[in-house]
Amino acid sequence: AQKVTQAQTEISVVEKEDVTLDCVYETRDTTYYLFWYKQPPSGELVFLIRRNSFDEQNEISGRYSWNFQKSTSSFNFTITASQVVDSAVYFCALSEAKDSNYQLIWGAGTKLIIKP
Amino acid sequence: NAGVTQTPKFRVLKTGQSMTLLCAQDMNHEYMYWYRQDPGMGLRLIHYSVGEGTTAKGEVPDGYNVSRLKKQNFLLGLESAAPSQTSVYFCASGTRSRTDTQYFGPGTRLTVL
Repeated sequence: AQKVTQAQTEISVVEKEDVTLDCVYETRDTTYYLFWYKQPPSGELVFLIRRNSFDEQNEISGRYSWNFQKSTSSFNFTITASQVVDSAVYFCALSEAKDSNYQLIWGAGTKLIIKP
Repeated sequence: NAGVTQTPKFRVLKTGQSMTLLCAQDMNHEYMYWYRQDPGMGLRLIHYSVGEGTTAKGEVPDGYNVSRLKKQNFLLGLESAAPSQTSVYFCASGTRSRTDTQYFGPGTRLTVL
């Protein structure tokens, strides 16, 4: 069975601190894709990044960075110098091939609170 | 492009009433999905469609029906609403590829009294 675990239910930090959101996944597939989405208080789901299982290079986009490690089945997300606008629920997801169709398996999400 | 739109944004039903949620996408995507989001549980897939005229069950299909008569539209129906169906419903669409990102609508907040 495929599974995505986000063990941190809620994280609270003070603005400008760095914060890492953990994501651990389980899959038997050799080819798979991992995603991060952001859900701000307004409620919409915003795509942040997609990573395939053959690319273990870390990705950096501004203050955001992602650390993908197949050896530990983890795809962690770090926000550097956090800002109040980063406050949101963040979801990690795994692409699963089921009956030749593709579905996303979602983690439960981590609520990130950035205090001014 | 409007992307993915959902109608309505909010709705309150009484137990036993029926309603239909409409999802529309203008990105010519083959795949469409309906999810529900409950506190602390992330997103759970209700039904999905891999193309016009096709639908399939997801993780939590009971109590819901869907139809995909047109490629751009995906309807979610509740025939007899129950309080357990109080949730936020999201529609998403994507291309026919596991590499593809799913793009989400703004959500519909449904309360069943």
